[in-house]
Amino acid sequence: GESVGLHLPTLSVQEGDNSIINCAYSNSASDYFIWYKQESGKGPQFIIDIRSNMDKRQGQRVTVLLNKTVKHLSLQIAATQPGDSAVYFCAEMGGRDDKIIFGKGTRLHILP
Amino acid sequence: DAGITQSPRHKVTETGTPVTLRCHQTENHRYMYWYRQDPGHGLRLIHYSYGVKDTDKGEVSDGYSVSRSKTEDFLLTLESATSSQTSVYFCATTGSSKAFFGQGTRLTVV
Repeated sequence: GESVGLHLPTLSVQEGDNSIINCAYSNSASDYFIWYKQESGKGPQFIIDIRSNMDKRQGQRVTVLLNKTVKHLSLQIAATQPGDSAVYFCAEMGGRDDKIIFGKGTRLHILP
Repeated sequence: DAGITQSPRHKVTETGTPVTLRCHQTENHRYMYWYRQDPGHGLRLIHYSYGVKDTDKGEVSDGYSVSRSKTEDFLLTLESATSSQTSVYFCATTGSSKAFFGQGTRLTVV
């Protein structure tokens, strides 16, 4: 796993291809999961969410998959575009309160 | 995001001076957080609050203190700023399964 202080891992994807960004979450009691996109110089922006009673949810060009057995979350972006270049964070919430825990993030780099 | 504002948005300060950043929310959320983000890195949690006067440390709390005297305000204080605290600081709130981020405060310690 990634340690605090190390640079973000980078995923490089050809424009037009599909991107898959993975995240391992920590708390088996978490019941709500969110993906955020952060563009350079801006704060994180909500992309898509999923509750633990689902294993897949689709949005516009994005799909989130949840595997509770192995505590794994993924974000799939179809037909990646230059505007998708950003840092992507997963987050988990739940248990008995609204405390949120963020993953370390992955930088998505689009190749022309 | 609507309902959460940070002030100031930019600040330059000298090493050794105290600095306070303010986060104000109108969502009546219970949880509030302060993160720092350095170039090429993810969000690192400094401190968070789970209610008025209830706070706890995050992973990078050394050199920082916080206070929450009202639900809507969460203050982050650098008691004696150091150059290593030059960063972008983000405030966030969570409540009712929603999370909101402020626009960030760019702090430069010279």
